[in-house]
Amino acid sequence: SQTIHQWPATLVQPVGSPLSLECTVEGTSNPNLYWYRQAAGRGLQLLFYSVGIGQISSEVPQNLSASRPQDRQFILSSKKLLLSDSGFYLCAWKSPIARNTEAFFGQGTRLTVV
Amino acid sequence: GESVGLHLPTLSVQEGDNSIINCAYSNSASDYFIWYKQESGKGPQFIIDIRSNMDKRQGQRVTVLLNKTVKHLSLQIAATQPGDSAVYFCAENSGKTSYDKVIFGPGTSLSVIP
Repeated sequence: SQTIHQWPATLVQPVGSPLSLECTVEGTSNPNLYWYRQAAGRGLQLLFYSVGIGQISSEVPQNLSASRPQDRQFILSSKKLLLSDSGFYLCAWKSPIARNTEAFFGQGTRLTVV
Repeated sequence: GESVGLHLPTLSVQEGDNSIINCAYSNSASDYFIWYKQESGKGPQFIIDIRSNMDKRQGQRVTVLLNKTVKHLSLQIAATQPGDSAVYFCAENSGKTSYDKVIFGPGTSLSVIP
């Protein structure tokens, strides 16, 4: 069966510090991968998605970047965090073959920038 | 489309009553829709889906209705239980290839009164 792992679960970082959040998927090959951000009490905003190694599409201009160094690894990064980067970050995967299927989410990383 | 800047609307329901959660979508080309449930501090979990060639689909205690004419989805929960308290999101598959994006609606917070 497929599983998705995100870490860390919580993170407190000072303004101006770098960020690296990691997401890995097991049990499937060449998944579509997604990063979402959720501000407190709000909806999910799609940040990045990837359909293959090294292929990243950005949905919104921001202080963040994403990379996919391996087939089942998706990394969210920042060189210098802003206060506005605080939020709940969710990684998700989806089958690349069966288009009309649901996305599966990790447990999320709660980031607080102080 | 995405309404990530809006605070979540809330719905309070007495335990045992039926709940109806509504969602409007914007892309008339979307052909697959999903309802997710998100409990506090966790990632969204799949509840039920529906394809655009259907107008109703039933699961265990849940029913999804799709009205393509007005681009509206609803989720009906029968005999609502305290464990149903969560935030509910509708989502649509946006894209015609494997480069498909899962776009979320703003979400509704359901509170079940015991």
